[in-house]
Amino acid sequence: GAVVSQHPSRVICKSGTSVKIECRSLDFQATTMFWYRQFPKQSLMLMATSNEGSKATYEQGVEKDKFLINHASLTLSTLTVTSAHPEDSSFYICSAQSERTYEQYFGPGTRLTVT
Amino acid sequence: GIQVEQSPPDLILQEGANSTLRCNFSDSVNNLQWFHQNPWGQLINLFYIPSGTKQNGRLSATTVATERYSLLYISSSQTTDSGVYFCAVGAAGNKLTFGGGTRVLVKP
Repeated sequence: GAVVSQHPSRVICKSGTSVKIECRSLDFQATTMFWYRQFPKQSLMLMATSNEGSKATYEQGVEKDKFLINHASLTLSTLTVTSAHPEDSSFYICSAQSERTYEQYFGPGTRLTVT
Repeated sequence: GIQVEQSPPDLILQEGANSTLRCNFSDSVNNLQWFHQNPWGQLINLFYIPSGTKQNGRLSATTVATERYSLLYISSSQTTDSGVYFCAVGAAGNKLTFGGGTRVLVKP
């Protein structure tokens, strides 16, 4: 149980285009999901908290107009990187929180490369 | 915000050795999780342990919440234990703050 999927696992896009990443909790409902990014050999940095049916809460320094988050259902949250630039290249990881235990379960990550 | 420090930052072990990883945090927490990040980037849940002691096979963890630290023990290490171990803490129902991680390499 407690499986989280992400799609795509890897994406290469050209500078200026937008990319959408999906995060799904497969066998449990998640009112709250989280989006992180990780640069090589660094720790995970929280970008935003995604709440079903309401606006996401962004961490300080994260541009909400650049990283659009939509939590449309209890099992799906999406992150759209708009007008991507090479500096947006990173590993993006989502997590879904168990409503019963508050334990977070992580997706396998999406490696974004912007050329 | 809460600060999380992990030590050591790097650890090289011979297969079969035991080791202890430490996580210190700066404030009271209701949520503490240990993860293993494999070479492909997937974070695998090891323990959800805001307090007390738990064991799962060769791994065990202890959190002393009043003293704001947690320990992860790896016994009889195997090459498959290689990777990065993260401690993450937070308030229940709230966001997690990650430590810097401990990079473990187990040599055959």
